[in-house]
Amino acid sequence: EAGVAQSPRYKIIEKRQSVAFWCNPISGHATLYWYQQILGQGPKLLIQFQNNGVVDDSQLPKDRFSAERLKGVDSTLKIQPAKLEDSAVYLCASSFKRETGGYEQYFGPGTRLTVT
Amino acid sequence: RKEVEQDPGPFNVPEGATVAFNCTYSNSASQSFFWYRQDCRKEPKLLMSVYSSGNEDGRFTAQLNRASQYISLLIRDSKLSDSATYLCVVTNDYKLSFGAGTTVTVRA
Repeated sequence: EAGVAQSPRYKIIEKRQSVAFWCNPISGHATLYWYQQILGQGPKLLIQFQNNGVVDDSQLPKDRFSAERLKGVDSTLKIQPAKLEDSAVYLCASSFKRETGGYEQYFGPGTRLTVT
Repeated sequence: RKEVEQDPGPFNVPEGATVAFNCTYSNSASQSFFWYRQDCRKEPKLLMSVYSSGNEDGRFTAQLNRASQYISLLIRDSKLSDSATYLCVVTNDYKLSFGAGTTVTVRA
C-alpha cells in the first residue's frame, strides 16, 4: 500500500517569498492533516480536513497560511509571505477511524522548509 | 497547561537495559492514546496503541492510568535501534494532541 506522499522534500526561500506544499494521502483515508514541527517540539496541528471540509483550523495563522483540499483527495498548503519563524518541517498525515475508536494516523516524509 | 506533557529526557541507557517513561494529559475526556516513534529527521510512525488494560508488543509495554491521567511506555532489553524520540498522542474525538517527545539513546 502506498504511503502518504509529499513534495517537495526540501525548500529554501527568502523571507517574504511564497511557498506551496503538496500532499497526497493514503487512498481511502478521508481525514487529512497538516502539521508544523519545529526542531525539538512535537508536531503542531495547522489544519484538519474531513473529505474536502475543514474540521479544525484553529491554529492556522490565517493571515499568511492557507490550505485547500478541493476534491477531497490531495491537498496543498501555502505560506504567503513567509517569515523566518516558519522554518520547520511540514508534515502531512492521513487517517482512518478505527472500529475500536480513535484515528490511526500515517505521516508523509515531510517538507523541510528553511526561510532565510 | 499543555494538553500533553512528556519528560524530554534524554534517557541514556546501555543495551539490554529497561527504560520507562510517562506522558501526562490534561483532558479527562480523552478517548484514545498512542505512542509514536520518530527517528532523527524522519516522520513519526505509529509504534502502538494504548489500551485501558495495558498491552504489549514484543519488548514494548504500554499502560494507561485514567485516574491519574497518564500513559507509560516501557522498553525491555533495549537495542541500539530503539534510539529515537517517542511521541505521546492523545485524542479527543477527532482532535489529536502530540507531546513534545521523549528522547531515548541506547548505547553499546
